[in-house]
Amino acid sequence: QQQVKQSPQSLIVQKGGIPIINCAYENTAFDYFPWYQQFPGKGPALLIAIRPDVSEKKEGRFTISFNKSAKQFSLHIMDSQPGDSATYFCAAREANFGNEKLTFGTGTRLTIIP
Amino acid sequence: DGGITQSPKYLFRKEGQNVTLSCEQNLNHDAMYWYRQDPGQGLRLIYYSQIVNDFQKGDIAEGYSVSREKKESFPLTVTSAQKNPTAFYLCASSLWDRDAGELFFGEGSRLTVL
Repeated sequence: QQQVKQSPQSLIVQKGGIPIINCAYENTAFDYFPWYQQFPGKGPALLIAIRPDVSEKKEGRFTISFNKSAKQFSLHIMDSQPGDSATYFCAAREANFGNEKLTFGTGTRLTIIP
Repeated sequence: DGGITQSPKYLFRKEGQNVTLSCEQNLNHDAMYWYRQDPGQGLRLIYYSQIVNDFQKGDIAEGYSVSREKKESFPLTVTSAQKNPTAFYLCASSLWDRDAGELFFGEGSRLTVL
């Protein structure tokens, strides 16, 4: 059973466009929602994270939008650049647990074309 | 530089052989993890360890074994009992803290069974 559903599987956007990656969950015990960025041949690295007490969080060109009632959250990349081409994973973690209860989405391969 | 070192980066093995993947960290983190990454399936937790000499099974532990004799080291053995061992293996570490979210990943080891 997939606890965090991520879409799309792949995405191609022109430079300067705004790619949007969506994730949905069912488990209302989730209280921490990070996004990880992975370049080819490398390990993932934390990009940005949000908790359900806020509806939006921005860090540079990256924004997480969070809709608690719909149990959905999304990543937006403003003014996208070819260097943003990577695989992006959303994740969710249960309250009162550590990373052993972190569940990842299936990933989105993003390509930004010049 | 602080970080996680995985070795080898690439490994080929014949069917029926055990293989051990190395993971070393100098971040002074208590918790360490092993994930398996397959195309279209995201990251799945194999084993994790919160403290030295203790470790717990993750979601897909069958066919794998680990040890945690030192805080810095968390090797993973892929045994001949693992039915589909060809994959990208990622080691990670983090603080063992309910409020600590960030996982720090190594660059991965790609295992191919011939």
